Amino acid sequence: DSGVTQTPKHLITATGQRVTLRCSPRSGDLSVYWYQQSLDQGLQFLIQYYNGEERAKGNILERFSAQQFPDLHSELNLSSLELGDSALYFCASSVALTRPLAGANVLTFGAGSRLTVL
Amino acid sequence: SQQGEEDPQALSIQEGENATMNCSYKTSINNLQWYRQNSGRGLVHLILIRSNEREKHSGRLRVTLDTSKKSSSLLITASRAADTASYFCATDGNMEYGNKLVFGAGTILRVKS
Repeated sequence: DSGVTQTPKHLITATGQRVTLRCSPRSGDLSVYWYQQSLDQGLQFLIQYYNGEERAKGNILERFSAQQFPDLHSELNLSSLELGDSALYFCASSVALTRPLAGANVLTFGAGSRLTVL
Repeated sequence: SQQGEEDPQALSIQEGENATMNCSYKTSINNLQWYRQNSGRGLVHLILIRSNEREKHSGRLRVTLDTSKKSSSLLITASRAADTASYFCATDGNMEYGNKLVFGAGTILRVKS
């Protein structure tokens, strides 16, 4: 157990639907990252939050949104789902170190949420 | 496009042999990390090497970094069947808090017993 909890583990839904993936970071970690892993795109960075604020954005579609709550858990919302959204969605957390140690973030990953869109 | 690219894409070796995986990246980095992923599971951090380091060891792992060539290698010595997994390099940019890690496509390692 990595300490990062993701729910649900598996999710099957239909095109056009909306789902919410949930992540609880490891105790003490302030930063949460979301990644999408698919066979054709590999591991793609979606978005990062630090202590409730968005800090970095990657290849996140407009149909996707995320937030980090005051208790530091995070949710990734996927809407108007398409077949191509089927993937493993990982949440990772880290202690975002302040300078001068910034840049040495080691990520702890959750087990992932496997989304299948039919 | 991804920052890190691993080579080879797949590697099959016998137990006891050494496995070497390479990673190339495109822009300047603060550090480079290697992660391991067992099939369908979450990634697990293996080792981190900073941009001012050239070599680092951790157990049976040895990582080298050549910033002039923008490349790194991961050597697993005396491999075991349990080392069968995908291995990813990850690089980050110089952002104060937004340190997104960009992962390569990974090398699939199969160790045959």
